[in-house]
Amino acid sequence: LAKTTQPISMDSYEGQEVNITCSHNNIATNDYITWYQQFPSQGPRFIIQGYKTKVTNEVASLFIPADRKSSTLSLPRVSLSDTAVYYCLVGAMDSSYKLIFGSGTRLLVRP
Amino acid sequence: GAGVSQSPSNKVTEKGKDVELRCDPISGHTALYWYRQSLGQGLEFLIYFQGNSAPDKSGLPSDRFSAERTGGSVSTLTIQRTQQEDSAVYLCASSLREGGPEQYFGPGTRLTVT
Repeated sequence: LAKTTQPISMDSYEGQEVNITCSHNNIATNDYITWYQQFPSQGPRFIIQGYKTKVTNEVASLFIPADRKSSTLSLPRVSLSDTAVYYCLVGAMDSSYKLIFGSGTRLLVRP
Repeated sequence: GAGVSQSPSNKVTEKGKDVELRCDPISGHTALYWYRQSLGQGLEFLIYFQGNSAPDKSGLPSDRFSAERTGGSVSTLTIQRTQQEDSAVYLCASSLREGGPEQYFGPGTRLTVT
């Protein structure tokens, strides 16, 4: 599974757009990029998944450049409740049952 | 519908005792996973079930750890002769199909070994 690197922490303010970038230089051809969110004292929650270009759902957008060596999770107009740890994971769809979570990015949203 | 449930939510035990942690996956989910998360750390994969069989037990840290799943549903993670380094949050997840990266996690069981 490809190793991922993301910032340890980020600060933002309510209403701002937050972009969290993840590096995965050795991503394989059949690897997908998946992001999870974890609130304190809760299990992680799936946010979004993508393979290339851009994916958008009701929660976030995921931008993946052509070389796929990085990806950016974009959270529009964050609120205090978006304070959480965000994990970037990379793995093949058919073998990614063993999710490998790194240290994640601790996002703090301030009023 | 109901999500993944785990019990107990908290467990404090003395070093050397055995503990059992339970996971009820989402109904109809054939795949079930156990992870653990130590304080301030990312998640560590322990074991994966497809139905009642465990194709991948590679993450179990020692032979004191075992898990079973019955009826393709409920799973129990057993830790024998607990040690202080076993203290962690044990998370269970399930998914509708094997290999899918979208796993649904339970709230976890916080285990403290004194």
